This record gives sequence, C-alpha cells and structure tokens, in this order.
Amino acid sequence: AQRVTQPEKLLSVFKGAPVELKCNYSYSGSPELFWYVQYSRQRLQLLLRHISRESIKGFTADLNKGETSFHLKKPFAQEEDSAMYYCALSHPGSYGKLTFGQGTILTVHP
Amino acid sequence: ETGVTQSPTHLIKTRGQQVTLRCSSQSGHNTVSWYQQALGQGPQFIFQYYREEENGRGNFPPRFSGLQFPNYSSELNVNALELDDSALYLCAFSRDRGYEQYFGPGTRLTVT
Repeated sequence: AQRVTQPEKLLSVFKGAPVELKCNYSYSGSPELFWYVQYSRQRLQLLLRHISRESIKGFTADLNKGETSFHLKKPFAQEEDSAMYYCALSHPGSYGKLTFGQGTILTVHP
Repeated sequence: ETGVTQSPTHLIKTRGQQVTLRCSSQSGHNTVSWYQQALGQGPQFIFQYYREEENGRGNFPPRFSGLQFPNYSSELNVNALELDDSALYLCAFSRDRGYEQYFGPGTRLTVT
C-alpha cells in the first residue's frame, strides 16, 4: 500500500534561516509527488510537482528514489512561508487520487 | 481563479442520519475529487468523478456515494452517519484528470 510520512508535525525557524520539510513515501514503482500548501484562512493549493523541477516561491524539492524521499527546501525562509505543508503522492497519470501525508506546520519567526 | 464553492459550510447531523454535500466550479473543469480530512490528519481520497462517471475510489465503504452532473458540479452523499464521519470534506476540480487540482474551502461535518 502506498503511504506518505511527514515526520514533523511542527517546524519552527527564524526568518532568513534554511528550512527543510521532510517527506518519505512508500510505493512500489515510480510515483508522482507533489507538495501542497495551505496558508492561514486560504484553500489548499499546489506548490510544486516533482516532474516540473521548478522553484516556486524559492522552494525546491528533489525526488530521491533510493531513499524514497521528497524533501521540500528553501535556503532563506520568509515570514510569509508560515503555513501548513502537505506532501502527496499519486499513481502516474492518476493525479486526482492523491495520498497525503499528515502535514507539517511551518512557523517562520521574525 | 477557478471559483470552487462548497455548500454548506458547516453542518451538524445525528448518528444514523444521511447527508448531502455539494461542490461546484466556475471553471468548467470536468474532473472532481472528494477528500475527507479528519482533525490533525491529511486529506484522504474518497472518490473521483470524470465526465459524470466514477473514476476511482479510495478505501471508503459503499455508504459514501457520489454524483457528478452535466455541468460538472458534484454531490457527496453519506448514509448511516457514524461519529467517525465527523471531518472536513474537501472537493477539488481539475481538467481532464490533470495534475493541477483546485480545492474548495471544505464543508465541516459534525456527527453527534
């Protein structure tokens, strides 16, 4: 069965510090991986997708198939990055059928 | 902006009752997925509809059922409500089962 694990429920950093939100997955095959974000009083929205290999709002995520990880990183955190972050997985081509992790609440202190 | 709306915002039901939740989008996106999010957990996939047909289902019993209408709006029906059904129910639209999903604000269901 596929599973996504985000080991940290809470993560606090200071503004300007690097931040890494961890995500590990279990899946037999090559999954599609995503990071979703929910800012305060806003809806869940897609942050980035591993295939696109983009940097969105300064965040990047690299798929490490050997370690089955998809950690989200940003070199210099900003206060506006404070939010709930979810890592999610889907079968290739089955994008709407996501398996989410439990989420990590990131707080960036001034 | 895709204008995904869900109704009602909140509701309270009694165990054993039935409930219908609704979801619509202004975008014309033809794929809708429903998720259940229990407190402190990530969303859990319930099912997906594509062009009015069920297109995949998660690990939920048959008392969770759905519909998609010709205008692509959708309903989630839950029969014989149980206390554990208390959760935030999210819907998300996409185009042609694509990866870019647009979530609604959710309906908070409380079962007492």
